[in-house]
Amino acid sequence: GAVVSQHPSWVICKSGTSVKIECRSLDFQATTMFWYRQFPKQSLMLMATSNEGSKATYEQGVEKDKFLINHASLTLSTLTVTSAHPEDSSFYICSARDVGWNQETQYFGPGTRLLVL
Amino acid sequence: QKEVEQDPGPLSVPEGAIVSLNCTYSNSAFQYFMWYRQYSRKGPELLMYTYSSGNKEDGRFTAQVDKSSKYISLFIRDSQPSDSATYLCAMSAGGGGNKLTFGTGTQLKVEL
Repeated sequence: GAVVSQHPSWVICKSGTSVKIECRSLDFQATTMFWYRQFPKQSLMLMATSNEGSKATYEQGVEKDKFLINHASLTLSTLTVTSAHPEDSSFYICSARDVGWNQETQYFGPGTRLLVL
Repeated sequence: QKEVEQDPGPLSVPEGAIVSLNCTYSNSAFQYFMWYRQYSRKGPELLMYTYSSGNKEDGRFTAQVDKSSKYISLFIRDSQPSDSATYLCAMSAGGGGNKLTFGTGTQLKVEL
């Protein structure tokens, strides 16, 4: 199956700093990527939809100025958590939609665990 | 009321048992249904994808959809310790490659 990677896999940062998370589709091109957040023992909550070459679409309640998304190529989307605070600590997971013959599938990355001190 | 309801468990079964996992939903727009498996501290892995009422089988896994009752199920036959994970149902109005709404996940433990 298709492979999606994320980097870093985990990060610890001080409150007030910015953190960038990369999401890459390794063996397919993805015009659309999704960013999710998952708190302990809770489900995945969609934060935003990232489309290559255009602005991301954010879900209600997600601050677009705090969670900056850039989808500059068909294989890379980045999420930057700006001025991170402890309440931003969470598990961030991206997924990528395959634009090949099987357009109905999202492949998920392994996730990035963020801890803000 | 959440759009998708899923019993969080935990569910503990002996090896070899048949496992039944379920989700209910309230949004009639949902037409595409998926089951994902998520191991601890990992991203979800797609197990089953279906878009019509009825059953779909893949190895030890069977997905069942009843759109009239807004109810979906995942059955795991001959469960193995390696099946121990959290199982998430997910639904979409526009296909598996579009916005997904997830259930909270059911934590399953298969014991020797």
